[in-house]
Amino acid sequence: AQSVAQPEDQVNVAEGNPLTVKCTYSVSGNPYLFWYVQYPNRGLQFLLKYITGDNLVKGSYGFEAEFNKSQTSFHLKKPSALVSDSALYFCAVRDPKNKLIFGTGTLLAVQP
Amino acid sequence: DTGVSQNPRHKITKRGQNVTFRCDPISEHNRLYWYRQTLGQGPEFLTYFQNEAQLEKSRLLSDRFSAERPKGSFSTLEIQRTEQGDSAMYLCASSLAGVGNEQFFGPGTRLTVL
Repeated sequence: AQSVAQPEDQVNVAEGNPLTVKCTYSVSGNPYLFWYVQYPNRGLQFLLKYITGDNLVKGSYGFEAEFNKSQTSFHLKKPSALVSDSALYFCAVRDPKNKLIFGTGTLLAVQP
Repeated sequence: DTGVSQNPRHKITKRGQNVTFRCDPISEHNRLYWYRQTLGQGPEFLTYFQNEAQLEKSRLLSDRFSAERPKGSFSTLEIQRTEQGDSAMYLCASSLAGVGNEQFFGPGTRLTVL
C-alpha cells in the first residue's frame, strides 16, 4: 500500500533562514509525489510534484523539493523563509487508483 | 474565478438531519474527487468520478453517504441522518485524467453536526 510519513508535527525557522519540511514515502511501483500547502480555513494549494526526471523539482512561491530514491524521501525546501510561508504543509502520494494519500501534515512557523 | 468552488462554505445541522454539498470543478477537468479532513489530520479520500462515472469509493463512505455527478460537471455529496462524527471539512478537488496530473482543491465545506 502507498503511504507517506511526515515525521515532524511542527518546524520552526527564523525569517531569512533556509527551511526543510521532511517527507518519506512507501510505494509499490513508481512514486508520484506531491506537496500541498494549507492556510487556515482554506483548501489545499498545489506547490509541486515529482513524476519522473530531475530529482530536484521547482514549484510555486520559491519552494523546491528533492526526490531521493535511495532514502525514499521527498523533502520540501526553500532557501530563505518568509513569515508568509507559515502554514500547514502536506506531502502526498498518488496511489494506483488515482487518489492521493496524504501525510499528517507539518505546521511551519516562521518567526520574524 | 476559474478554480474549484464549493457551496456552502459552512453548514451547521442537528444530528439526524440530511445535508447536501455542491462542488463545481474547473471546467475542463474530467476527474472530480471528494475528501474529508478532520482537525489535525490530512485529507482522507472518499470517492472520485471520471466524467459521470463513480470509479472508486472508500470504505469511509458508509451507506449514509452518496455522491453524484450527473452530467459530468458539478457534483453533490449527500449525508443522510448526520452524526456528530460526520463533523469535518469536506474538500472537493478536480484534475485532468492522466498519471501525473495534480489535483486542484476547492475551499471546502465545513460541516458541524450538533
